[in-house]
Amino acid sequence: DAGVIQSPRHEVTEMGQEVTLRCKPISGHDYLFWYRQTMMRGLELLIYFNNNVPIDDSGMPEDRFSAKMPNASFSTLKIQPSEPRDSAVYFCASSLHGGARSYNEQFFGPGTRLTVL
Amino acid sequence: SQQGEEDPQALSIQEGENATMNCSYKTSINNLQWYRQNSGRGLVHLILIRSNEREKHSGRLRVTLDTSKKSSSLLITASRAADTASYFCATAAWDTPLVFGKGTRLSVIA
Repeated sequence: DAGVIQSPRHEVTEMGQEVTLRCKPISGHDYLFWYRQTMMRGLELLIYFNNNVPIDDSGMPEDRFSAKMPNASFSTLKIQPSEPRDSAVYFCASSLHGGARSYNEQFFGPGTRLTVL
Repeated sequence: SQQGEEDPQALSIQEGENATMNCSYKTSINNLQWYRQNSGRGLVHLILIRSNEREKHSGRLRVTLDTSKKSSSLLITASRAADTASYFCATAAWDTPLVFGKGTRLSVIA
């Protein structure tokens, strides 16, 4: 398996533009997570899906952020309009549920480094 | 918050020495996991220890868990330059996904 795939790896855009980040989870995994990592705030969970259904989006910072998972092999995170403070590395991760209400290890993609000018 | 907090924030050691990192958390957990992140890369899972386990080994890694003190430690023995990375603990409580700490930056000097 190729692991979790994210695209693009780097994105530079201007304030006000729409940004779409893409993720392909590991085949067979039923959980998908979107994270944002910055020096100041560390790794923050933005939203996660179970079987393509959003479970908790309380980490999404503002209405400018939205995420979708139209099928088991694809998810997008969209920022519209983007702002300089959105500059960060965005990670997608997937996992198999551990059963007994526990969470197993997560497999991370390489991340998308977003710079908003 | 159940967020784990790693200690120290940064650690610099010589190659061949052992490196110990600690993690403290606040609420009851189901399991605790350690991850490594090399510069510019995604996180990589190292080891998972369940709340009913006290110690676990994987190669040169040794993890301990003390649920009474709400703390865990990660020991890397005989460190190598390739171990240079950031190390994160992540806690999983019942029905909630992982919450990551801010990490320990380890530098192993050859």
